Amino acid sequence: RKEVEQDPGPFNVPEGATVAFNCTYSNSASQSFFWYRQDCRKEPKLLMSVYSSGNEDGRFTAQLNRASQYISLLIRDSKLSDSATYLCVVNNAGKSTFGDGTTLTVKP
Amino acid sequence: EPEVTQTPSHQVTQMGQEVILRCVPISNHLYFYWYRQILGQKVEFLVSFYNNEISEKSEIFDDQFSVERPDGSNFTLKIRSTKLEDSAMYFCASSGDRGYQPQHFGDGTRLSIL
Repeated sequence: RKEVEQDPGPFNVPEGATVAFNCTYSNSASQSFFWYRQDCRKEPKLLMSVYSSGNEDGRFTAQLNRASQYISLLIRDSKLSDSATYLCVVNNAGKSTFGDGTTLTVKP
Repeated sequence: EPEVTQTPSHQVTQMGQEVILRCVPISNHLYFYWYRQILGQKVEFLVSFYNNEISEKSEIFDDQFSVERPDGSNFTLKIRSTKLEDSAMYFCASSGDRGYQPQHFGDGTRLSIL
C-alpha cells in the first residue's frame, strides 16, 4: 500500500465548477498535512496546511480526518489559473511524503 | 517573501562525473531537505539535514550521495559518480521545524546525465 494515495485523475472541469480531491495516508503517526500545487516543470508551492478543524482560504477548503487517515481539498468557482497538479503531502519526523498528484485542467 | 534559491538551474554532466548542486535555504530555517523528481513521476524524498548531520534518508540516498553545509548559508548535494538514472529535477527545501511547519521549496536544478 502506498504511504500517500491520491485520486488518480485527471480532472477536467469547466470554469466555475467545484472540484474535490481526496487523499489517504497509511502512517497513523503522521504529524502534519499539506496541499501543494505544482505547475508543469516547476517546484511544488504550498497551497495550504490542513487541520482537523478544517480550514478555508478563499475558494479553497481543506479537511483532515485523522481517524480515517483521510485528507481532502475542495476548490470552489474554479478559475483557468487553478489548472495544475495538486499534491497531497504528509510529514512525519521531518520527512515529507508526496502523493502522486492529481492533475486538474479548468477549461473555459 | 524569503525564498529558497538553487543553483545552477540546469546542469549537464557526463556519466561518471561528480556533480554538486547548491542551495541557499531560508535564513532562519534550521531543517534542510533534498528531493528529486524524475520527469513524469512523483516527488521523492532523498534526505533531511539538521544541526550539521543527516536526520533521515531514503533508500535512494545511497553511498553515491552526500550532503554538506559548508558554511552558514549554503547546503549542497553531491553525487559522486553520476548514472543515467540520476537525470531528474532536484529540489531543495527548508523548514522552521522538524515536521509541523511546511517545507518551502527552491525552484530546482534540472540535472541531465549524458
